[in-house]
Amino acid sequence: DVKVTQSSRYLVKRTGEKVFLECVQDMDHENMFWYRQDPGLGLRLIYFSYDVKMKEKGDIPEGYSVSREKKERFSLILESASTNQTSMYLCASSLSAGGQETQYFGPGTRLLVL
Amino acid sequence: SQELEQSPQSLIVQEGKNLTINCTSSKTLYGLYWYKQKYGEGLIFLMMLQKGGEEKSHEKITAKLDEKKQQSSLHITASQPSHAGIYLCGADFSNAGNMLTFGGGTRLMVKP
Repeated sequence: DVKVTQSSRYLVKRTGEKVFLECVQDMDHENMFWYRQDPGLGLRLIYFSYDVKMKEKGDIPEGYSVSREKKERFSLILESASTNQTSMYLCASSLSAGGQETQYFGPGTRLLVL
Repeated sequence: SQELEQSPQSLIVQEGKNLTINCTSSKTLYGLYWYKQKYGEGLIFLMMLQKGGEEKSHEKITAKLDEKKQQSSLHITASQPSHAGIYLCGADFSNAGNMLTFGGGTRLMVKP
């Protein structure tokens, strides 16, 4: 079974803090993704990575950065958290690009920025 | 996303009843993925459809992709409380296999 884990289920931070969200997958997948999910807006892609040290902007990258130093780990960084970044953050991974490969999701991190 | 519309947005059914959720695209799909999300949790993969006219089933859930590959439906037979959750469709519009566009989701509640 594919397993995608996220470092925290719930997180409370203050405005201006630097926030790290970690995602780890154990299936040697090339692709990893970060989404945020908000009521009425659905799931929106923030960043994705198709290889170590490679990253691509998604639909809403502003205010976020990512890091992929190892294949199994993809980190989402909020350099200076703001209240409008309060959301549910979901990480996903898939095997490779170039075909129809299923994305498998982690359990999500619910972030509250005060 | 306006490229991918799900309907209805919310659905309440009596246990044992059948139901259908629709996912309609404004463009041709290369792949269509159905996921289920329990409240406040991650997404669980259900099925992937790729070919026009394709139909897949898993237990009491059947998903179909129309011939034009622009609309998919998810049908649940004899619904149970365990079917409750949010159903999301995700579309690959580019055939690159690495970026999905998601619909807004359908929240299903099943009354015992």
